[in-house]
Amino acid sequence: AQSVTQLGSHVSVSEGALVLLRCNYSSSVPPYLFWYVQYPNQGLQLLLKYTSAATLVKGINGFEAEFKKSETSFHLTKPSAHMSDAAEYFCAVSEGQGGKLIFGQGTELSVKP
Amino acid sequence: ETGVTQTPRHLVMGMTNKKSLKCEQHLGHNAMYWYKQSAKKPLELMFVYNFKEQTENNSVPSRFSPECPNSSHLFLHLHTLQPEDSALYLCASSQEAGGGPDTQYFGPGTRLTVL
Repeated sequence: AQSVTQLGSHVSVSEGALVLLRCNYSSSVPPYLFWYVQYPNQGLQLLLKYTSAATLVKGINGFEAEFKKSETSFHLTKPSAHMSDAAEYFCAVSEGQGGKLIFGQGTELSVKP
Repeated sequence: ETGVTQTPRHLVMGMTNKKSLKCEQHLGHNAMYWYKQSAKKPLELMFVYNFKEQTENNSVPSRFSPECPNSSHLFLHLHTLQPEDSALYLCASSQEAGGGPDTQYFGPGTRLTVL
């Protein structure tokens, strides 16, 4: 069965600092991987997804993620944090059949002025 | 309106009440989903509908009853709920329920409080 682990339920960075949110997955088949963001009182919005093309995926709002098969990781990064990046971030893996997305527990990102 | 909409955005109900949540998608998708989001827990998939047919019921208690009259509308009928059912209920849609690289688009959710 597929699974996702997000390391760190809460990450705090200063404005302008690098953002690194960690995601490791487990899958017996080539995975499809997603990062979603959830702002307070809103639903989830897709940031980016990996679909077996380029291993470095660029998303919205300056975020990117790199698929590393050898490390079973799909970490999310942004070179310079903005206050508006404060939100909860979810990594997810697609099971491939039946439309199931398996989500990690989420990482709350705080950005300090 | 565009995207996925949900009504109401907030709902407070007693344990003996009956209420319904509504979801509508304007994306021309064929699959719709209900998720439950509780504090400190991963999102839990509840139901999947593909071309109006239920394809997944993730061991959800019968006090939650979904209805999908067409590919654009999804309802979640609630009755005799428990306080532990208080959560954010999210609706999502995708082109089809085939998984893979297909993106799911989420609505803003209904914040449910059961007293």
